Amino acid sequence: DSGVTQTPKHLITATGQRVTLRCSPRSGDLSVYWYQQSLDQGLQFLIQYYNGEERAKGNILERFSAQQFPDLHSELNLSSLELGDSALYFCASSVVEDTQYFGPGTRLTVL
Amino acid sequence: AQSVSQHNHHVILSEAASLELGCNYSYGGTVNLFWYVQYPGQHLQLLLKYFSGDPLVKGIKGFEAEFIKSKFSFNLRKPSVQWSDTAEYFCAVRGSSNTGKLIFGQGTTLQVKP
Repeated sequence: DSGVTQTPKHLITATGQRVTLRCSPRSGDLSVYWYQQSLDQGLQFLIQYYNGEERAKGNILERFSAQQFPDLHSELNLSSLELGDSALYFCASSVVEDTQYFGPGTRLTVL
Repeated sequence: AQSVSQHNHHVILSEAASLELGCNYSYGGTVNLFWYVQYPGQHLQLLLKYFSGDPLVKGIKGFEAEFIKSKFSFNLRKPSVQWSDTAEYFCAVRGSSNTGKLIFGQGTTLQVKP
């Protein structure tokens, strides 16, 4: 158990819908990262937040957005979902930019 | 652009065989290097990391890796694998100018036969 929690574990939804994935970082970690893992793209960095502020952006689609709240938990919002958005979404956290510890992931299936 | 290449996509070994998984990266500056393991149905777990100092780093479960700067490589090794090492292994790089962003290789699936 890494100490990073993610909810829900599984999510099944339809194309065009919007979902929210939630992540709680390890106690004391200020940085939260979101990654997408898919069969064709592998593990891709989406976005990083540090203490509530966006720190770095990767291959994140405009339909996706994220935020980090004052209690340091983070949410990843995915909208206008397409079949190709089906993937495992991982959250990771770290103290500043040290070693990242990963959560169990949310498996999103878009039908 | 930064990239990470893992040479072997699928490796099959018998128990007690030695393991070496290749990882090469492209980045011009100082890097931090990581190996993560993902057991079936589980999340990524850190095996080992290199930030600076001794280029031979030891990790958990008997794994080690050697950073060879001239070859831009960070190969993972284990002298004797066990059935429980069956998993997917990911090499990752973080460049000093990239904040916390990790660039992952494609992953290597290791299957250990009992």
